[in-house]
Amino acid sequence: DTAVSQTPKYLVTQMGNDKSIKCEQNLGHDTMYWYKQDSKKFLKIMFSYNNKELIINETVPNRFSPKSPDKAHLNLHINSLELGDSAVYFCASSQQLGVADTQYFGPGTRLTVL
Amino acid sequence: KQEVTQIPAALSVPEGENLVLNCSFTDSAIYNLQWFRQDPGKGLTSLLLIQSSQREQTSGRLNASLDKSSGRSTLYIAASQPGDSATYLCAVRANSKLTFGKGITLSVRP
Repeated sequence: DTAVSQTPKYLVTQMGNDKSIKCEQNLGHDTMYWYKQDSKKFLKIMFSYNNKELIINETVPNRFSPKSPDKAHLNLHINSLELGDSAVYFCASSQQLGVADTQYFGPGTRLTVL
Repeated sequence: KQEVTQIPAALSVPEGENLVLNCSFTDSAIYNLQWFRQDPGKGLTSLLLIQSSQREQTSGRLNASLDKSSGRSTLYIAASQPGDSATYLCAVRANSKLTFGKGITLSVRP
């Protein structure tokens, strides 16, 4: 009965390939996020969507394109993968953007670019 | 630009000890502050959320306080147990954006 789920859990690919990571939440939340955790474990926001609309794009290269087909899904597509894209990517969701809204995180997708 | 600092980066304590984890942030114009726990190879679990108008929140053996004017928060863990071993991250929210500290890796020795 997973609240925020991501697929795949692990992704190993060659430089230059295009890949997607899927995220789904069954909490009925309006807001979803993508975060990147680098090798030093530093967690940084990439994108935020509220009701399928982009509200944060945190200076992420345009090789990264989030897509929200509906409120329950926020997928991340990455073109022309580079070595520096290797990281753990976390999806999260919150009810809305209220001051009392807790963010719930998925289990992460570990991307390794060779 | 908001910066969140957590020092020290790692902490090792014997079981049963009460301990305090510190978090500081540079911009006091925040909506809320959240403490998370991350186990190795896992996602983040929200522990406590303190709204900017609140001073503290409690859940079981955990107590988090917020002093917005000085840009500080503490997470107090009472009677620590080996199962508390994990990385604890502090994050502050301003507008739509959550800014994280680098975390404190806690090890509780049996």
